[in-house]
Amino acid sequence: GAVVSQHPSRVICKSGTSVKIECRSLDFQATTMFWYRQFPKKSLMLMATSNEGSKATYEQGVEKDKFLINHASLTLSTLTVTSAHPEDSSFYICSATNRVSTDTQYFGPGTRLTVL
Amino acid sequence: GQSLEQPSEVTAVEGAIVQINCTYQTSGFYGLSWYQQHDGGAPTFLSYNGLDGLEETGRFSSFLSRSDSYGYLLLQELQMKDSASYFCAVRDSFKTIFGAGTRLFVKA
Repeated sequence: GAVVSQHPSRVICKSGTSVKIECRSLDFQATTMFWYRQFPKKSLMLMATSNEGSKATYEQGVEKDKFLINHASLTLSTLTVTSAHPEDSSFYICSATNRVSTDTQYFGPGTRLTVL
Repeated sequence: GQSLEQPSEVTAVEGAIVQINCTYQTSGFYGLSWYQQHDGGAPTFLSYNGLDGLEETGRFSSFLSRSDSYGYLLLQELQMKDSASYFCAVRDSFKTIFGAGTRLFVKA
């Protein structure tokens, strides 16, 4: 149980285009979903927290107009990187918590974004 | 400020026991978690301590001392597949904060 999927797993795009990443909780209802960014051999940097039906809470320094987060249902959250630039290239990981175990985050497999 | 400190690297041999320490300084505290991440993969949950003491799950154990703002992850009977990064994470009043991670190298 508690499986989180992410799609796509890898994406390569041209500078200036937008990329949408989906995060789904497959077998549970996610009360909260988180979006992280991770650079090679570095820790997870929280970008934003989203609850279903409400606006995401962004961390300081994260541009909300550049990283659009939509949490349309209890099983789906999307992150759209708008007008991507090479410096946006990174590993993006989502995670989710459920009502039963709010202290445990279940991570998706991550999305490797490369902006050319 | 808020910070979590853990060693950057640890090397151990197969079959040995290794302890990864984590000290934290946060504005609130609702528990210490440990996650494992293999290169190129996503973090997976290992253990959680909400109260002081030792939690055991198979070969892995985790300990917490809230008075010392300190915890550790203990890995026993090390296997090659345990080579990975290990992150401690603290849930404060608002969110979960992750440490920088400890890379564990297991040698034959």
